[in-house]
Amino acid sequence: EADIYQTPRYLVIGTGKKITLECSQTMGHDKMYWYQQDPGMELHLIHYSYGVNSTEKGDLSSESTVSRIRTEHFPLTLESARPSHTSQYLCASKTGWSTEAFFGQGTRLTVV
Amino acid sequence: GENVEQHPSTLSVQEGDSAVIKCTYSDSASNYFPWYKQELGKRPQLIIDIRSNVGEKKDQRIAVTLNKTAKHFSLHITETQPEDSAVYFCAASKGSGGSNYKLTFGKGTLLTVNP
Repeated sequence: EADIYQTPRYLVIGTGKKITLECSQTMGHDKMYWYQQDPGMELHLIHYSYGVNSTEKGDLSSESTVSRIRTEHFPLTLESARPSHTSQYLCASKTGWSTEAFFGQGTRLTVV
Repeated sequence: GENVEQHPSTLSVQEGDSAVIKCTYSDSASNYFPWYKQELGKRPQLIIDIRSNVGEKKDQRIAVTLNKTAKHFSLHITETQPEDSAVYFCAASKGSGGSNYKLTFGKGTLLTVNP
């Protein structure tokens, strides 16, 4: 079934660890996004990509990095996790400039 | 870059009443304005969208209006029902060319419909 998948759904990790949050979509979408969502609701854009080998930083400064080597895959990496990184991370994808963005179910990250 | 302001942050209405959520955007080149609904514990989903060449769009109980001159767009929900209770996000985007595919969201409005 065409969808967008995020793994893991939940992650508890110690400070200083390196982590990668996975995002894959099977819809052939060229545009992909990472958002950080606070408990207070707001969706902060941290990275986006409009195609293979293209990545851009979003509006919220983030210590994470992303890569886009394959169309369907857009992983987000934190080299050294900190408690301030505790949040929910949502991945989204779309095609075309005026089309629906589809969201993954999110990864809830807790750094202890 | 684009800045999207959304008001109010919380809205409580009685079942059957109307609800209106308002957004303003800063980049006059933005030309696509979607609205997303996020129910508790779920992912955001598109409920309606509008392009800049249209002033109003309606889908059953939901409508969106756009005023390009004022850089302002609004979501209108009529005959609200308890299942309309959720967080609603507006967003703005512009098409064509590289970094113009950014999709920027407002801060969200928590709508509560009381039975």
